[in-house]
Amino acid sequence: KQEVTQIPAALSVPEGENLVLNCSFTDSAIYNLQWFRQDPGKGLTSLLLIQSSQREQTSGRLNASLDKSSGRSTLYIAASQPGDSATYLCAVSYSGAGSYQLTFGKGTKLSVIP
Amino acid sequence: DTEVTQTPKHLVMGMTNKKSLKCEQHMGHRAMYWYKQKAKKPPELMFVYSYEKLSINESVPSRFSPECPNSSLLNLHLHALQPEDSALYLCASSRGGMVLSGNTIYFGEGSWLTVV
Repeated sequence: KQEVTQIPAALSVPEGENLVLNCSFTDSAIYNLQWFRQDPGKGLTSLLLIQSSQREQTSGRLNASLDKSSGRSTLYIAASQPGDSATYLCAVSYSGAGSYQLTFGKGTKLSVIP
Repeated sequence: DTEVTQTPKHLVMGMTNKKSLKCEQHMGHRAMYWYKQKAKKPPELMFVYSYEKLSINESVPSRFSPECPNSSLLNLHLHALQPEDSALYLCASSRGGMVLSGNTIYFGEGSWLTVV
């Protein structure tokens, strides 16, 4: 059974700092990995999708990397801003129990202090 | 347009009520999903529809009944719920009928359900 772990559970940084969020998964046979952002009481916003054949994806100040063989992904946020404060979730899609599955980590709650 | 629209945003219902949650997308996506999310927990998959057919039911109690009237709409019918069913219910969609494979999944804002 695929398990997804996100470290740290919570992170507080001053505005302007660069930061890294970590995601690890136990089964490397994945189709893709997706990073989401969730604001309190809101739905999930897709940030970046990395296919299993890719090593990284970039969007603005965000860069996500994937090392499938070691079961790890990182989300790098450059020059953090208070508006980046949210919970960040990673999710991996894979084939399990005869059907496609999407498993989420528990998330990292990020607070960017002005 | 990368929008998944869910209604209502908030719903309070008694344990004997019958209500429905609605979800709509106009991105031409052929896979649609219902997730349940409790406070401070990640979303948990409930149902997946692929080409308007139910393809995954994650052992969800029968008091939750999904329906996919057409490729743009997804409903979740609720009946005889329990207080522990109170949660954020998220609808999502992705391109193509091959669920989850290689495609970005887009989520709606969710419907907050409180069962009293």
